[in-house]
Amino acid sequence: QQQVKQSPQSLIVQKGGIPIINCAYENTAFDYFPWYQQFPGKGPALLIAIRPDVSEKKEGRFTISFNKSAKQFSLHIMDSQPGDSATYFCAASFRDYKLSFGAGTTVTVRA
Amino acid sequence: DVKVTQSSRYLVKRTGEKVFLECVQDMDHENMFWYRQDPGLGLRLIYFSYDVKMKEKGDIPEGYSVSREKKERFSLILESASTNQTSMYLCASRPGLAEYNEQFFGPGTRLTVL
Repeated sequence: QQQVKQSPQSLIVQKGGIPIINCAYENTAFDYFPWYQQFPGKGPALLIAIRPDVSEKKEGRFTISFNKSAKQFSLHIMDSQPGDSATYFCAASFRDYKLSFGAGTTVTVRA
Repeated sequence: DVKVTQSSRYLVKRTGEKVFLECVQDMDHENMFWYRQDPGLGLRLIYFSYDVKMKEKGDIPEGYSVSREKKERFSLILESASTNQTSMYLCASRPGLAEYNEQFFGPGTRLTVL
């Protein structure tokens, strides 16, 4: 049983569009919510992470929005570029010890 | 830069064989992890080790065992490979001294069991 539910499974946007990936969790003890980015043939790499004491975090063109009461968080990719085409995983954990990952979203940005 | 290496990128084995997957990290990290990645299921934790000779089961340990004799090396063992263990296997490491540390992943080993 997956502790973090991620949607959509895949999405396609035009260059400059804003792909949005959503995740939901049930365990209220979770206090660390990272996003990992994976390119074909590579292992995942940390993209951005948030703790529940803030509702939004931005790093470059990537923004995490966090809604503690709804137990949901999302990733927005602003001004998306073809180089952002990758699979994105949300995750959650108590501390960062054992991460529970979502199923992944494959994002394709068309030029 | 942290580097996590895995012994093979691709591996083909037969049902019933004993399979060893090796992972080495070069940053003196205390914690190491083994995941399997399957389409539609994301990454699922098989085992992790928080220090040498220490291990703890993850979410799907059945059919697997691990060994950590040295700090830099973490091995995943399939005692008797089965076709449902065909998957991408990812190793990761992280520092253990502080909380909220990034996990660093290797490139993965794609295992096919025939």
